[in-house]
Amino acid sequence: QVHLVESGGGVVQPGGSLRLSCAASGFTFHAYNMHWVRQAPGKGLEWVAFIRHDESDKNYADSVKGRFTISRDNSIHTLYLQMNSLRAEDTAVYYCAKDGGGGDCHFDYWGQGTLVTVSS
Amino acid sequence: QTVVTQEPSFSVSPGGTVTLTCGLSSGSVSSSYYPSWYQQTPGQAPRTLIYSTNTRSSGVPDRFSGSILGNKAALTITGAQAEDESDYYCLLFLGSGIWVFGGGTKLTVL
Repeated sequence: QVHLVESGGGVVQPGGSLRLSCAASGFTFHAYNMHWVRQAPGKGLEWVAFIRHDESDKNYADSVKGRFTISRDNSIHTLYLQMNSLRAEDTAVYYCAKDGGGGDCHFDYWGQGTLVTVSS
Repeated sequence: QTVVTQEPSFSVSPGGTVTLTCGLSSGSVSSSYYPSWYQQTPGQAPRTLIYSTNTRSSGVPDRFSGSILGNKAALTITGAQAEDESDYYCLLFLGSGIWVFGGGTKLTVL
């Protein structure tokens, strides 16, 4: 059974940094691409970042490019999102999502999310 | 910048049929965008319904179906039930490792 558990959210001041983690279990973590998706309060879903299973490719939404870094540690089945230069508009619930694999370009499992609040 | 468009809201009667659509600000949606659909109720994580245009995710009732209608991707609910009242999001793969969600459709069943 696939489980994704995010952690690391909290309150941070504008300009600050935070690192989110996503602990994965129930599937062969090192074989799957992974994503971060966020949802601002009362708003829709926004894809944030993608990482290939072997870290050979990473991509970001324009809204976070240059400020956020996605990474993973396959040895401990964990996905990360390092967030720097945080802004008020980064306030959101951040979800990690497992790529469905097979070249179908979708997300098949989601964590429950962790809330990041950027406020002074 | 590519914008993925969805109806902001829709209403359907219990037992009725509704089709939600997913378009592009410029251009047509085709299967090469691998359209997928997600259901989300307030306070919950999204749930995957449909991927690769028309493949139902495991455990999804067959009243949910996906297709391409004209120049848009579509999610059809046939025989809507009260528990289908949710927000629905489409997701398109734009290539080069970039994905974009639509703004979501709030579906009311009444």
